[in-house]
Amino acid sequence: EDQVTQSPEALRLQEGESSSLNCSYTVSGLRGLFWYRQDPGKGPEFLFTLYSAGEEKEKERLKATLTKKESFLHITAPKPEDSATYLCAVQAGSTSYGKLTFGQGTILTVHP
Amino acid sequence: GAVVSQHPSWVICKSGTSVKIECRSLDFQATTMFWYRQFPKQSLMLMATSNEGSKATYEQGVEKDKFLINHASLTLSTLTVTSAHPEDSSFYICSGIAGPSTDTQYFGPGTRLTVL
Repeated sequence: EDQVTQSPEALRLQEGESSSLNCSYTVSGLRGLFWYRQDPGKGPEFLFTLYSAGEEKEKERLKATLTKKESFLHITAPKPEDSATYLCAVQAGSTSYGKLTFGQGTILTVHP
Repeated sequence: GAVVSQHPSWVICKSGTSVKIECRSLDFQATTMFWYRQFPKQSLMLMATSNEGSKATYEQGVEKDKFLINHASLTLSTLTVTSAHPEDSSFYICSGIAGPSTDTQYFGPGTRLTVL
């Protein structure tokens, strides 16, 4: 069974204090790993897709990296508007097309 | 990025009634759409996968006769919660994939269902 574990469950940062979120996964043949941002009462917003170990992607203050067992979402000099729940999801090659398994998410709070 | 809308954004209904939620892909054709539910402080749980013109595939434990899914066109999928009960109260979110050349899901804004 595919499993995704995110840590920490919650993270509080001061504005400008860089940190990383972790996503550990166990899948039978990784097809893709996805990062989403979710604001309260809203649907997830797509951030990144990573396909192979060693791959990195960046968007503004966010950078996602991937190894064979985990992914990190690095947040550089965060701002209060980066406060949200960050969700990691995996797509296994053995499952039906497009099906995602989500982690529980990391709630990020950035204080001014 | 691709845009997905949902209607209504929130609905309150009485126990025993049925509620229909629409999911539309506004700027792409969604060959595959997904329906999720999310309880407070929990992650997304996949309910079903639907392909245009085909019957939906339901996840284990999801009652297909209670949660009716129709994917009649490449831009519209509907979820009908039949004979709703208070335990069906949740946040329902749909997503779509824009065809076989991509596997990224784009999500709608969600629909908050409250059953009294």
